[in-house]
Parts: sequence; structure tokens; C-alpha cells
Amino acid sequence: DVQLVESGGGLVHPGGSLRLSCAASGFTFNNYIMHWVRQVPGKGLVWVSHISGEGTSTGYADSVRSRFTISRDNAKNTLYLQMNSLRDEDTAVYYCARDTVGVGIDYWGQGALVAVSS
Amino acid sequence: DVVMTQSPLSLPVTLGQPASISCRSSQSLVAGDGITHLTWFQQRPGQSPRRLIFRVSIRDSGVPDRFSGSGSGSDFTLKISRVEAEDVGVYYCMQGTHLPPWTFGQGTKVEIK
Repeated sequence: DVQLVESGGGLVHPGGSLRLSCAASGFTFNNYIMHWVRQVPGKGLVWVSHISGEGTSTGYADSVRSRFTISRDNAKNTLYLQMNSLRDEDTAVYYCARDTVGVGIDYWGQGALVAVSS
Repeated sequence: DVVMTQSPLSLPVTLGQPASISCRSSQSLVAGDGITHLTWFQQRPGQSPRRLIFRVSIRDSGVPDRFSGSGSGSDFTLKISRVEAEDVGVYYCMQGTHLPPWTFGQGTKVEIK
């Protein structure tokens, strides 16, 4: 079965940094594009970033570009999101999600809560 | 960026009755290969999103056949033929044609009257 398990969330002060991880299992990790999507509690889903299967191509939402960096370690079947210069408005549950070429996002992790507050 | 607009945002439904959610995109979602990348997700309270339908109308494995998707171009609909208690949650449409960014509708909250 496909499993995506996020970790690394927590409370951080504005301006601080945090790195999220997403451990993948049940599929050939490097064959899939991966995403980070976030959700402010009680609000809607917002795409944050994506990375190609080999890690050679990435994309970011305007709101996080230059502050967040997506990466992956295919040997460890793990996706990462390095978040720097965090702001109050980055507070959200962060989901990693798998993307199958041609059919899009199909599986989601359980999410990791990031709270930015002084 | 493609803007996805759902309506209604709140949908109270009587058990056993049908429900319908509209999703409109600010431009056509037909890709160059002729495929329309419109996806529907369900998010039950306290859970992660779950994909229900992709490419407008293809149901995922395990999704009850009371869920159906339809539409074309920039106008799409998710229908639940007979709402059950387990269908309570928020439903999102998402476009995967004009990328990046992937964009979601605001969500439609389905609740039981």
C-alpha cells in the first residue's frame, strides 16, 4: 500500500527555520513527481511546491519562492521541504502528496502542523 | 494562474437526497494532448484529502458509484446521487492542466440537514 508519512512539524518563531520530511513507501519513489500542499486549519488547500522524480525540476508558489526549498533523496525514499524566514502566515498543516504523470495528485500523507508564532 | 471557483460553498443535504457541486475554471482545462486534468478530492473531518475522481469523470478504486463527475472545458460538476452520513466533509476541485501552480477551488462543505 502507498504510504506517505510527514514529520518535522512544530512551533517556530517568526524568522526561524524548519525542515519537513515525508517518508514514502509502497511504490517506486523516483518514478513519481511529489508535492507539498498546505492548509491553514479550517481553510482550503494551497499548493506550495513540486519536484520531479529525479529531483532535477522544481516549482514553487509565489508566496514561498526564495524562502522554501523542496528536495528529495531517492535512495532514502524521502521528500523534504526546507522552510526558512518563516512568517505567521506560513502556519498550516503541510501535506506531502504523490503525483502520477497523466492522472495527477493521487495519494496524500496525514499532514504535519507547522505553527509560526512569537 | 487558473482560478477555480466552486459553488455553493456550503451544501446542507438530507440523507438519501442528491447533491451537486459546481466547479468553474478561469480558462479551459483541456490540455494539448486533449486530456482535461480536473480532479475532485474529498476531505472528511479530521482527515487528509482523498481523491475521488480524476480526468473529470474517472472514479478512483473504492469510490462508491454514487459519486460521479462530469463537465468539459471550464465547467464541471460533482454529483452524489444519494448522500450518506459518511459523505460529510469538504469537497475540492483542482486543476492540473496549466502548471505551475496547481490550483484548488475554495472547497464546498457538505453537511447533513
